[in-house]
Amino acid sequence: DVKVTQSSRYLVKRTGEKVFLECVQDMDHENMFWYRQDPGLGLRLIYFSYDVKMKEKGDIPEGYSVSREKKERFSLILESASTNQTSMYLCASRKGPRGRDTQYFGPGTRLTVL
Amino acid sequence: GQQLNQSPQSMFIQEGEDVSMNCTSSSIFNTWLWYKQEPGEGPVLLIALYKAGELTSNGRLTAQFGITRKDSFLNISASIPSDVGIYFCAGRYNNNDMRFGAGTRLTVKP
Repeated sequence: DVKVTQSSRYLVKRTGEKVFLECVQDMDHENMFWYRQDPGLGLRLIYFSYDVKMKEKGDIPEGYSVSREKKERFSLILESASTNQTSMYLCASRKGPRGRDTQYFGPGTRLTVL
Repeated sequence: GQQLNQSPQSMFIQEGEDVSMNCTSSSIFNTWLWYKQEPGEGPVLLIALYKAGELTSNGRLTAQFGITRKDSFLNISASIPSDVGIYFCAGRYNNNDMRFGAGTRLTVKP
């Protein structure tokens, strides 16, 4: 079974803090994704990575950066957290850019910025 | 980027009833996916559809890829309390560009 794990289920941070969200997958997947999920808006793509050290902006990259130093790990960084970044953050991974590869999600990190 | 139009936003049904939800888009997709998310968990894939007109079942769940490639529906037959959750549709244009509906929150009363 594919397993996507996220470092924290719940986080509370203060405005201006630097925040790291970690995601690890154990199936040697090439592609990894970070989404945020807000009520009524569904999932919106922040960044994705299709290989080590490669990254692409998604729909809402402002205020975020990412790091992929190893294939299994994809980190989302909030350089200076703001209250409008309070959200549920979901990491996902996918084997590769082939038509029928399934995208698997982690359990999510619920971040609250005070 | 464009998100999908998913309806209804929420449903309150009695155990044993059938459920239907759908997603529409103004653009064509090559793949339609349906996920279920339970409280505190990430979305789990229920059904994947890869061809226009395809009808696929997974137990009590049935989903179809619309022939126009711009819509999909999910049906749940004879609902049970553990069907509770949020159901998301997702469409993929190309290999890494996936769009999501806002979700249908399903409540099943015993």
